[in-house]
Amino acid sequence: DGGITQSPKYLFRKEGQNVTLSCEQNLNHDAMYWYRQDPGQGLRLIYYSQIVNDFQKGDIAEGYSVSREKKESFPLTVTSAQKNPTAFYLCASSIVVLAGVEQFFGPGTRLTVL
Amino acid sequence: KNEVEQSPQNLTAQEGEFITINCSYSVGISALHWLQQHPGGGIVSLFMLSSGKKKHGRLIATINIQEKHSSLHITASHPRDSAVYICAVPNSGGSNYKLTFGKGTLLTVNP
Repeated sequence: DGGITQSPKYLFRKEGQNVTLSCEQNLNHDAMYWYRQDPGQGLRLIYYSQIVNDFQKGDIAEGYSVSREKKESFPLTVTSAQKNPTAFYLCASSIVVLAGVEQFFGPGTRLTVL
Repeated sequence: KNEVEQSPQNLTAQEGEFITINCSYSVGISALHWLQQHPGGGIVSLFMLSSGKKKHGRLIATINIQEKHSSLHITASHPRDSAVYICAVPNSGGSNYKLTFGKGTLLTVNP
């Protein structure tokens, strides 16, 4: 089955520790994204990558880092510089269709920093 | 940046009712997305539409490009339709890769 996997579903970390969230897709999509979701707010873009070895900052990139060494993988590191890291993190990938860019989402990782 | 407003924020319905969720945006777009998020958190893309109307089962999405407005309708609602419905549009500035998301409408359908 083609899709996007994120692991783990729930993640707990102590304050001050860096943590890396995994995102893998087997859809052969060129572009991948990381979003953050907080209660009562819309999804906000952290980073996105349109192609391997290239990525751009989104609206809330501070305190986060990414890499895109392989087409199918786009891991997100939440660093200790992120002031409020507890949130739900969603990974997505996309293809270009006639009407525009269609995005597909993973199941998400809920990160809690204690 | 495109601004997106969804209404209502919360909606409670009885099984079988006809549901309408609205979305307005501020800047002209190429296509609008309707997404569904279930309690577990995963998001599913329902529709991507650039004009007129699309239908999938009991779900219907319409868009009025001139008025910068879209609606999502659910006919004969069912408790399994209970979810958060999210509208998203491309940011202004030409890049369809970056989306602006509404805050979502929480729909609860009671049996």
